[in-house]
Amino acid sequence: DVKVTQSSRYLVKRTGEKVFLECVQDMDHENMFWYRQDPGLGLRLIYFSYDVKMKEKGDIPEGYSVSREKKERFSLILESASTNQTSMYLCASSFSPSEGLRNQPQHFGDGTRLSIL
Amino acid sequence: KQEVTQIPAALSVPEGENLVLNCSFTDSAIYNLQWFRQDPGKGLTSLLLIQSSQREQTSGRLNASLDKSSGRSTLYIAASQPGDSATYLCAVFSGANSKLTFGKGITLSVRP
Repeated sequence: DVKVTQSSRYLVKRTGEKVFLECVQDMDHENMFWYRQDPGLGLRLIYFSYDVKMKEKGDIPEGYSVSREKKERFSLILESASTNQTSMYLCASSFSPSEGLRNQPQHFGDGTRLSIL
Repeated sequence: KQEVTQIPAALSVPEGENLVLNCSFTDSAIYNLQWFRQDPGKGLTSLLLIQSSQREQTSGRLNASLDKSSGRSTLYIAASQPGDSATYLCAVFSGANSKLTFGKGITLSVRP
């Protein structure tokens, strides 16, 4: 079974802090994703990565950055946390066969509930 | 821009009932459609994935169908149980950037 592990289930930080959310997958997946989930807005894609050191902006990248130094690890960084970044953050990964990532299901971690005070 | 709609937002049924959850999407040029389950405070669990060339997929008491031309999918749950209570999300994989677009989910409550 695919295992996607997010380092923290709950996190409380203060406005202006630099925040790191970590995600690790154990299935050698090429693709990794960061989403946030908010009531009434659903899941929105922040950033994704097709390979080590590669990154692509999703729908709402403002205020965030990412790092993928190793294939199994994808970090989301809040450069200067603000209260509107209080949310549930979900990491996902998927396999990418030679024909591309289109056909493979995404596997999700348990999420990190982040509160910015 | 792809949009995914799930109506109603919430549903309550008695145990044992067969039920259908609906999902619609605006752009029929999809690669696949995926149904997820989410328990309160948890991540998403993949239930079924239907490729664009397929009409349906089955797993146990779950059956998902896809009508790409009309932009619709249904998730059929047979003989519902209280343990089926959760939020069910539909997501389509489409677009030049090949990304998932999610519906807002249907929160299902199965009453004992």
